[in-house]
This record gives sequence, C-alpha cells and structure tokens, in this order.
Amino acid sequence: LAKTTQPISMDSYEGQEVNITCSHNNIATNDYITWYQQFPSQGPRFIIQGYKTKVTNEVASLFIPADRKSSTLSLPRVSLSDTAVYYCLVGDRSGGYNKLIFGAGTRLAVHP
Amino acid sequence: DVKVTQSSRYLVKRTGEKVFLECVQDMDHENMFWYRQDPGLGLRLIYFSYDVKMKEKGDIPEGYSVSREKKERFSLILESASTNQTSMYLCASSSRHYEQYFGPGTRLTVT
Repeated sequence: LAKTTQPISMDSYEGQEVNITCSHNNIATNDYITWYQQFPSQGPRFIIQGYKTKVTNEVASLFIPADRKSSTLSLPRVSLSDTAVYYCLVGDRSGGYNKLIFGAGTRLAVHP
Repeated sequence: DVKVTQSSRYLVKRTGEKVFLECVQDMDHENMFWYRQDPGLGLRLIYFSYDVKMKEKGDIPEGYSVSREKKERFSLILESASTNQTSMYLCASSSRHYEQYFGPGTRLTVT
C-alpha cells in the first residue's frame, strides 16, 4: 500500500509563502497526487491535482519531482483564512480497485 | 456547483441500535464514498461504490455495510452500533477518483 507522510503541524504568518511536503514512496505509475483543504466542521475541499513537474491554479501550486516520491503544496501569501488541515491524497491500486489513501493531514496555523 | 448532502449533521444513538446514514449527490457522479474521521487518524475509507449496486471495501469495513440502489444515493448502515463507532462520518462523490466532493459530515455519538 502506498503510504503518505506529512508534517503533523506547521505555523506561519500572514503574507508568507507556505510549503507543505508529502512523501509517497510507493506511488503507482499512473496515479495522480491530489491535495485537499479542510476547515473545522466541514468536509474536505479539493485544492489541486498533478501528475508530474508543476501545476498552478488560482489557489496554490503543486511541485512534483521526477521520481514522484514526494510532492509539495505551495500556498503563496497566506492569510488567516488559510488556517486549516491539508491532506495529501495518492491513488493506490495494490489493494484492488482504485483504493485511495489519505495522508494524516497537516494542521496549518496562520498567525497575524 | 456539485452538492453532496447528508441526512443529519448530528446524531445520537444507543449501543445496539441499527443506524442509517444517508448521502445524496446531484451531479450524476458514478463514484461515491464513505469515510470516518477521528482525531489524529485523518480520513479512513469505509466503503466505496463505483456504480449502482456495486460496492468495494475500504480500509475499515468491519461493523459497517452499504447500499446503493440509485445512482444519486449511497447509504451507510451500522447494523448494531457500538461506542467505538462514535465518529464524524463523511460522504463524498466523484466522476473521477481523485477529485472528490464532500458533504458536510454527520457527527454520530453512540452511547
């Protein structure tokens, strides 16, 4: 099974860039990497998805090295409203039909 | 916008009761999922379904069953609720496996 590892928590200040790295050593060849954001008392919300190199949208950037054994979510100029838990998701087919595994999540706290 | 709704935000049940959690999505998605979320453990997949009447076990299916009779509806059933099933339950749907849309969650307490 593809296992993911993320830092448990991170702290930052408003206006700074935040980078959260996820390790996924056994990622399958055809699998994508996806990041989700979760606020208290809400379900997770899709942020960004990528396969290799770099992907950017209006919210974040995702950097994936050539070996794909890790990925880094980059949040530019964070604000207080970015305080949330961030999950890294990779596909895993070793257990059968498209079994998906969420990482344990990184709790990001943005301070004024 | 995709909308995933869950039948209750909060639910309190007694040990041994049969519990039904309902989830409905309005985007004609093929795939639907049930997760539970516990402090320090993140999201763990209980069951998922990729078509009507089809289901697959996730990481922690023990003590749960599911039903998908219609494409838009996916039910999670606790046949005999136990206190260790007290948790936040999250339903999700997707047309592709990695972009999932989640409901608001049901916080279930079993006493």
